Amino acid sequence: EAGVTQFPSHSVIEKGQTVTLRCDPISGHDNLYWYRRVMGKEIKFLLHFVKESKQDESGMPNNRFLAERTGGTYSTLKVQPAELEDSGVYFCASSQPGTVNTEAFFGQGTRLTVV
Amino acid sequence: DQQVKQNSPSLSVQEGRISILNCDYTNSMFDYFLWYKKYPAEGPTFLISISSIKDKNEDGRFTVFLNKSAKHLSLHIVPSQPGDSAVYFCAAKDGGYNKLIFGAGTRLAVHP
Repeated sequence: EAGVTQFPSHSVIEKGQTVTLRCDPISGHDNLYWYRRVMGKEIKFLLHFVKESKQDESGMPNNRFLAERTGGTYSTLKVQPAELEDSGVYFCASSQPGTVNTEAFFGQGTRLTVV
Repeated sequence: DQQVKQNSPSLSVQEGRISILNCDYTNSMFDYFLWYKKYPAEGPTFLISISSIKDKNEDGRFTVFLNKSAKHLSLHIVPSQPGDSAVYFCAAKDGGYNKLIFGAGTRLAVHP
């Protein structure tokens, strides 16, 4: 069974441009999360979907970030316009439905560099 | 304010010896703790977890200890192997929420 997949693996864009990251969770996983790691620091929570609904978006940095999960399958995270401080590795994770204490499975991440 | 802290950015251990990675937390509402391992250019991989109602969980060479009164947990790897060289992240969860709160990670190097 395929794991969590993310596209692209790397993206280099100029400040002010738009970038869209995509995440395909493990099939059947209703919970989908976005995280970000900046400059080798801690991995920070961005938001959590349950199916197509945003359950918790308390970690979204500002309104330049827009996450969607149409149909409750794959998710996209759009940054518009990108700023230098948005550089980092963006991870997507998914977990099974109806569970509280269970591990989340992570994708390999998208390394975003804003120049 | 960082709620999960891994104060050692790096650790070097000889193959065959014990590796001890430490993690401290500040939020007393955390009730579930996890360790993830991360290799370069890969996503974090789940390693082991522990509920706050326990003080120890063991899985093969990996054991996690939880000291609730001290708000401290540790991951023991014994014996350490070169393939264990990676960045280890401690993470915590508040029972009311599904999100994970991570520490900054500890880079473990296991050398011959």
